[in-house]
Amino acid sequence: NAGVMQNPRHLVRRRGQEARLRCSPMKGHSHVYWYRQLPEEGLKFMVYLQKENIIDESGMPKERFSAEFPKEGPSILRIQQVVRGDSAAYFCASSPPGGSYNEQFFGPGTRLTVL
Amino acid sequence: GENVEQHPSTLSVQEGDSAVIKCTYSDSASNYFPWYKQELGKGPQLIIDIRSNVGEKKDQRIAVTLNKTAKHFSLHITETQPEDSAVYFCAATTGNQFYFGTGTSLTVIP
Repeated sequence: NAGVMQNPRHLVRRRGQEARLRCSPMKGHSHVYWYRQLPEEGLKFMVYLQKENIIDESGMPKERFSAEFPKEGPSILRIQQVVRGDSAAYFCASSPPGGSYNEQFFGPGTRLTVL
Repeated sequence: GENVEQHPSTLSVQEGDSAVIKCTYSDSASNYFPWYKQELGKGPQLIIDIRSNVGEKKDQRIAVTLNKTAKHFSLHITETQPEDSAVYFCAATTGNQFYFGTGTSLTVIP
């Protein structure tokens, strides 16, 4: 059973460009979470999605950031008009359907560098 | 919202010694406390977790204790080995959103 997959692993963008980060959850998992990790810091929650639904986006910046988890295909975190402050590692996690207390399994991350 | 504090930020131990990392949380409603190990350039890997109805859990050389009254929980690694060197994160949650500590960089000196 493959783990959580993220691509690309490394992404370089110039200021003003768009960044698209992809996450494929573990097989059988229907819940996806996105976290951002700045250098030397812990992970900060951004958004929680289920198929075709955003459940909690309280950690997402109000502008330029969006996320989706379509019925088919991976979850996408999209950052428009990137700025240098967006440089970070972005991690996706997934958990199986069910109630609370579910374990979250993390992918290897996408390291975004904005020049 | 929940606030998780983690100490120490760095920890060096001799191989074979024990390592202890401590976390406190603020929301008494938090009920699940996982610990993750993150190696350089990789994603966090779950190493052990504990739920609020349990006070202690052990898995080989790793153990976690939880004190709900004091709102703190700790990770204990015994007989440390060089491959235990990594950054360790604690987290707390009441449901789906995890709140992470700022991490402890553990170095095991051979």
